[in-house]
Amino acid sequence: AQSVTQPDIHITVSEGASLELRCNYSYGATPYLFWYVQSPGQGLQLLLKYFSGDTLVQGIKGFEAEFKRSQSSFNLRKPSVHWSDAAEYFCAVGASSGDKLTFGTGTRLAVRP
Amino acid sequence: SQTIHQWPATLVQPVGSPLSLECTVEGTSNPNLYWYRQAAGRGLQLLFYSVGIGQISSEVPQNLSASRPQDRQFILSSKKLLLSDSGFYLCAWSLGGTGSSWGFGQGTRLTVV
Repeated sequence: AQSVTQPDIHITVSEGASLELRCNYSYGATPYLFWYVQSPGQGLQLLLKYFSGDTLVQGIKGFEAEFKRSQSSFNLRKPSVHWSDAAEYFCAVGASSGDKLTFGTGTRLAVRP
Repeated sequence: SQTIHQWPATLVQPVGSPLSLECTVEGTSNPNLYWYRQAAGRGLQLLFYSVGIGQISSEVPQNLSASRPQDRQFILSSKKLLLSDSGFYLCAWSLGGTGSSWGFGQGTRLTVV
């Protein structure tokens, strides 16, 4: 069965600092990987997704993620964090492009002024 | 483009009362539909998914049920709510195939009192 681990429950960074959110997945074949962001009380917004091809994926709001098959990881990065990036971030894996998604438990990001 | 409507946004219900949350998708046909629940510190848990009218798969045993009376309508129900049913419920849709899309509703915050 597929699974996703986000080892960091809470992360606090200073505004302008770089950010990396970790995501490790378990799946037997090539996974379909996603990162979503959720603002308080809101639904989910897709930041980026990886299906195939270039392992470095660019997303919205200046985010990027790198798929590393050897490490079963899909870490999310941003070079300079803005206060508006404070939210909860979810990594997800699917068995195919339209299949049900399995989510990690999320990482809550706080941004210091 | 596809849009998803989920209502109500917030709901406070007494223990033992019935529940009906509705979700509709516009701009596509024959989507896969999903109900997820988000509980504090537990990420997003898949409750039900449907690949077509009248086809419902349950992921976890629980006090809830789902129905898909029309192609783009997905309903989450309960005959008698429990305190443990409190949480944030998200409806989602997906399309299969290469380059497919996923979309999420804005969620329903359910508080059972």
